[in-house]
Amino acid sequence: DTGVSQNPRHKITKRGQNVTFRCDPISEHNRLYWYRQTLGQGPEFLTYFQNEAQLEKSRLLSDRFSAERPKGSFSTLEIQRTEQGDSAMYLCASSPRAAMNTEAFFGQGTRLTVV
Amino acid sequence: SQQGEEDPQALSIQEGENATMNCSYKTSINNLQWYRQNSGRGLVHLILIRSNEREKHSGRLRVTLDTSKKSSSLLITASRAADTASYFCATDFNQAGTALIFGKGTTLSVSS
Repeated sequence: DTGVSQNPRHKITKRGQNVTFRCDPISEHNRLYWYRQTLGQGPEFLTYFQNEAQLEKSRLLSDRFSAERPKGSFSTLEIQRTEQGDSAMYLCASSPRAAMNTEAFFGQGTRLTVV
Repeated sequence: SQQGEEDPQALSIQEGENATMNCSYKTSINNLQWYRQNSGRGLVHLILIRSNEREKHSGRLRVTLDTSKKSSSLLITASRAADTASYFCATDFNQAGTALIFGKGTTLSVSS
């Protein structure tokens, strides 16, 4: 399967713990996006990478959130000191060029539950 | 913040009927896209319409775009139970088009 891969698919963590999610984009895609989606809502943009450079960050991305994309390949999203409000589906997407010109390919998401 | 707003929020129809969903947005765009999401899954791209296009077709899908009204519609003809899903419109993040901004979606339920 050469689609966007996200791991883990599900994560349950205790409040205050740190969690890290991984996204492997389609190999030739240089653009990578992270979104967060809560029940009944559309995906909310978190951050965007072009190759290894993080070019956009939403105001939603508090200082407890950090994302990296070393070497412009896979990406990780870390949430420190998790809160119950962080419970959501975290979606990763990639595209071969700017989102304005082409479709984005989404992974299946990582569902985070903070207890 | 969310750029697009879909209407209605929920739609229930019978198999074989047509389903129409609308999307309104706030600022000028370069293109508008529609995505489908089955329950608990990732999003799948359906169709992209550019700001200089008024109508586009793909199989049973028909999308229209009215930039003067800042609105778009998605029509699914001859719906099937497998069309049951949430449908989202997405527009450019900004003029640089670096990311897509999604609306809250329309949940479509097609019963047989």
